[in-house]
Amino acid sequence: QVQLVESGGGEVQPGRSLRLSCAASGFTFSTYPMHWVRQAPGQGLEWVAVISYDGSKKYYADSMEGRFTISRDNSKNTLYLQMNSLVIEDTAVYYCAREVVYSSAFDPWGQGTLVTVSS
Amino acid sequence: AIQLTQSPTSLSASVGARVTITCRASQGITNDLGWYQQKPGKAPKLLIYGASSLQSGVPSRFSGSGSGTDFTLTISNLQPEDFATYYCLQDYNYPRTFGQGTKLEIK
Repeated sequence: QVQLVESGGGEVQPGRSLRLSCAASGFTFSTYPMHWVRQAPGQGLEWVAVISYDGSKKYYADSMEGRFTISRDNSKNTLYLQMNSLVIEDTAVYYCAREVVYSSAFDPWGQGTLVTVSS
Repeated sequence: AIQLTQSPTSLSASVGARVTITCRASQGITNDLGWYQQKPGKAPKLLIYGASSLQSGVPSRFSGSGSGTDFTLTISNLQPEDFATYYCLQDYNYPRTFGQGTKLEIK
């Protein structure tokens, strides 16, 4: 069964850092591009970043480039999102998602992990 | 970045009805568009990819159409479990962008 499980969320003060993890199982993780998407409370979905299957290519949303870093460890079947210089507006549920092979759609998604940036 | 504009932003309909949600792109994206359903407190779920292909396991009352800049998601014979928020997502280029969402409520 294909599964993605995020972890690492929590409450953090503005300016601090946090690293999210996404543990993958039930598929050959090393052959899929992976994405992070976030959703602020009561708001819509916002794409964050993508990493290629081998980690050689990465793209970011403009508002997060330079502060966020996406990475992966294919030996551990795990995706990461390092978030630095966090601001209150980064408060959101963060989802990881697999990019489908036969299109570029996202399926499945993890259950999400909540990051709260608050002083 | 490509902007996606969904309409309407909210919609009320009855069980058994047919509804259509529209997504308009600010530039042509061929058929590189997906539709997602999200229920409160849950992760989004892929319904349609490639503008019109039904994801495995998704009921056939969901259908998608369009190409270029104009796309539609149609739900026929609405069921109680279909009341949710729907998003379009373009996978034509980076940065990926979502529509703002359409909340479908029970009338």
